[in-house]
Amino acid sequence: QVQLQESGPGLVKPSETLSLTCTVSGGSFSTYYWSWIRQPAGKGLEWIGRIYTSGGTNYNPSLKSRVTMSIDTSKNQFSLRLTSVTAADTAVYYCARLHCSGTSCCLDYWGQGTLVTVSS
Amino acid sequence: SYVLTQPPSVSVAPGKTARITCGGDTIGSKSVHWYQQKPGQAPVLVIYYDSDRPSGIPERFSGSTSGNTATLTISGVEAGDEADYYCQVWDSSGDPLVFGGGTKLTVL
Repeated sequence: QVQLQESGPGLVKPSETLSLTCTVSGGSFSTYYWSWIRQPAGKGLEWIGRIYTSGGTNYNPSLKSRVTMSIDTSKNQFSLRLTSVTAADTAVYYCARLHCSGTSCCLDYWGQGTLVTVSS
Repeated sequence: SYVLTQPPSVSVAPGKTARITCGGDTIGSKSVHWYQQKPGQAPVLVIYYDSDRPSGIPERFSGSTSGNTATLTISGVEAGDEADYYCQVWDSSGDPLVFGGGTKLTVL
């Protein structure tokens, strides 16, 4: 069974950088894309981006200028960096596996999520 | 970017059938995926590629697409089905992965 676990600081100061890591266990790590998604309290889901094990990435255009994803295949981990955060970046952040077939992709395994609050 | 439109809420009595819609331009040409999210929990994939069910998802959950609307149907609704439901597509241009705004299913 594939399991994902987010880790990282739960509190980040405004204008600083949010950094999270997702550790994957079970299943194959090297043959999938991996994604980050976030959800502000009481609101819907927002896709942040995806990374392949080769390091190739796609980001949500609305966040692209502030987002960097990276991957460490030796540790079955991938990471998110979001710069210049504001209160609007306060959300539960999820990591997930992206299952792609043909011209479509879905998120078939999710981490439990981690709350990141941006506040001084 | 591509927009998916869902009703904010749907209510249904136990044992009845709930239908949650997801509208989008030419959505019939895309594969639609559906997620269930209960309070305080991560989303769970319940329908993928329009109508397939992942292992462990009851047969009561089904999906279909017609014209500009995709529909998640839950037959014989149970109290435990009360949750937020999100549709999602992969749009190869612009913002590739798009979620609908979500629908809160209330079991009366």
